[in-house]
Amino acid sequence: DQQVKQNSPSLSVQEGRISILNCDYTNSMFDYFLWYKKYPAEGPTFLISISSIKDKNEDGRFTVFLNKSAKHLSLHIVPSQPGDSAVYFCAASGAGGGATNKLIFGTGTLLAVQP
Amino acid sequence: DTGVSQNPRHKITKRGQNVTFRCDPISEHNRLYWYRQTLGQGPEFLTYFQNEAQLEKSRLLSDRFSAERPKGSFSTLEIQRTEQGDSAMYLCASSPGLAGTGGETQYFGPGTRLLVL
Repeated sequence: DQQVKQNSPSLSVQEGRISILNCDYTNSMFDYFLWYKKYPAEGPTFLISISSIKDKNEDGRFTVFLNKSAKHLSLHIVPSQPGDSAVYFCAASGAGGGATNKLIFGTGTLLAVQP
Repeated sequence: DTGVSQNPRHKITKRGQNVTFRCDPISEHNRLYWYRQTLGQGPEFLTYFQNEAQLEKSRLLSDRFSAERPKGSFSTLEIQRTEQGDSAMYLCASSPGLAGTGGETQYFGPGTRLLVL
């Protein structure tokens, strides 16, 4: 049972345009969501996060949107740059108060930004 | 460099051998996690430490796997009698573990890539 799903295995975008990566989840107990970027043979690098009490969080070129009723979040990158080309993982964790905060990851989306 | 470090970065071993990986978390981070990533998948949770206490283990962590975090600092992950199915990237992450917090950002190390022949 895949609790976090990234249904697009790949995405190709022109440099300067917007990249939109999507993620769906099934567990309503998730209350913290993160996006990581990963290059081959390296560990995931944290990009941006959002708490379930918010519906938007912005950091520079990166914005994450959360739609709790739809159990959907998205990452917007604008403008996209060739250096953004990597695999992007969506991750979610459950409530605190004794929970482990372990992350449940999606399967990733490979973003290719064309010059 | 104050990031998470992992050693070795690569390990090739023969089936049946034992291997041990080390993770040094970010200083002052109380929580430490181990994940495993196979090709085409996202990282999967293996186990979690709060200081030196191992508080959760995934069912993915068979009896051949053992993890320790003596003194609440670095951690080791040992795999005994390795099998070809153990071939994967083993990732370590740490987070501050501040009391009363819910979600926290976990910071990952570069990983150890294991190949079992």
